[in-house]
Order: sequence, then structure tokens, then C-alpha cells
Amino acid sequence: DSGVTQTPKHLITATGQRVTLRCSPRSGDLSVYWYQQSLDQGLQFLIQYYNGEERAKGNILERFSAQQFPDLHSELNLSSLELGDSALYFCASSSFRAASGGNTGELFFGEGSRLTVL
Amino acid sequence: DQQVKQNSPSLSVQEGRISILNCDYTNSMFDYFLWYKKYPAEGPTFLISISSIKDKNEDGRFTVFLNKSAKHLSLHIVPSQPGDSAVYFCAASVYGANSKLTFGKGITLSVRP
Repeated sequence: DSGVTQTPKHLITATGQRVTLRCSPRSGDLSVYWYQQSLDQGLQFLIQYYNGEERAKGNILERFSAQQFPDLHSELNLSSLELGDSALYFCASSSFRAASGGNTGELFFGEGSRLTVL
Repeated sequence: DQQVKQNSPSLSVQEGRISILNCDYTNSMFDYFLWYKKYPAEGPTFLISISSIKDKNEDGRFTVFLNKSAKHLSLHIVPSQPGDSAVYFCAASVYGANSKLTFGKGITLSVRP
């Protein structure tokens, strides 16, 4: 158990719809990362938040957005869904501390949310 | 643009033998490298890491080798066990930055009993 909780585990929806994926990081971790794993693809970095603020952005579509709340949980919002958005979405957290310049880079991953768009 | 490449999608080895998983990278700014293991229906879990100031790091049956001049790293598992069957991801980062990891596509390792 990594200590990172993601809900829902599975989600089936239709094209054009909007969904929200939720992540609770490990206790004490301020940094949250979202990754997408599509079929035959590695883990593609989407976005990182640190203590409520966006820290880094990767290959995240404009139809996708995320936020991190004061209690440090994060949500990834996916809108105007397309068939190609079907993927596993992973959330990870780390003990990264901006003030100290970072950490060893080890991320702790949740079990993922499997999104199927029909 | 794949900055971290795992060119072999799969590897099958006999139990007790050595498994060698390879990874190449193109970004010379990367200075910290990690291997993650992933079982079906689970998230990736950290396995072992190496800093660019080293060329080898060992943890039990797992050893990671880094060749900076070739921008190549490898994970050796000796001896391989059936429980090692999983997908292995190579990842890289710039230490001291935002800890964002760049992952390869993964290698599926099958260890035959």
C-alpha cells in the first residue's frame, strides 16, 4: 500500500462527457503528480501541483484541468471526452520540498483510475 | 519525442538466471535515474535508483548500472524469480528540480519456472 488513494478505480462513460478523478496523497506529501498511461505507452506526465500551486505541466490537453485543494487532495477533470482519452490515469505524490530544492525523485503511485470512453 | 527509451517491449528468462533490462536516454540534463516495477491492477512501485555521480547501485538481487557517456542504464536481476514477472519502467529526472519523472514505455519481464 503506497498510501496514495485514487477514486474511482474504474469509470465508463460516453464521448463528449466530463469526469473527475480524485487523488489523496500520502500523509505529509505536498506534491501531487498526474500521469496518463495509454495502451502500449509509457507513463506520460500530465501535471504537477505543489502545496496547491501548479508546479510543472507536461502533455496535458486543454480539455483537461487539475487542481490541488487546501487539504492537499487533487482532482483531475477531463472534459469533452474522446475515445482516445481511454487510459489509466495515475496519481503520485512525493515529499518534494520546493524550498530545499527537491528530493530524490521517488514517487509513490496510487493504483490508478481506469477510464473507458465509449 | 521519447527522452527515455526502452526498446525491447518484452523479455523472457528462466528462473534462477539473470535478467538484464536496458534503458537509453537522450536528455543530457538527466542526472537521476529510477526503476519502477508494476504488477497488473496496481500502481508502479519504486525499485531502485542511481545518481549520475555513481555508475553502479546494488540492492539485494537488483543492481542498476549507469553508463553516462553512452546515456545508457541497465537493471540486472540475479537470480530471477517468478515473482519478478512484471512490467519494469525506467525513469529519469533532473535532481533538485520539481522531481518530475520522465518514463520509458516499459518492459514486460516474464520469469519461467
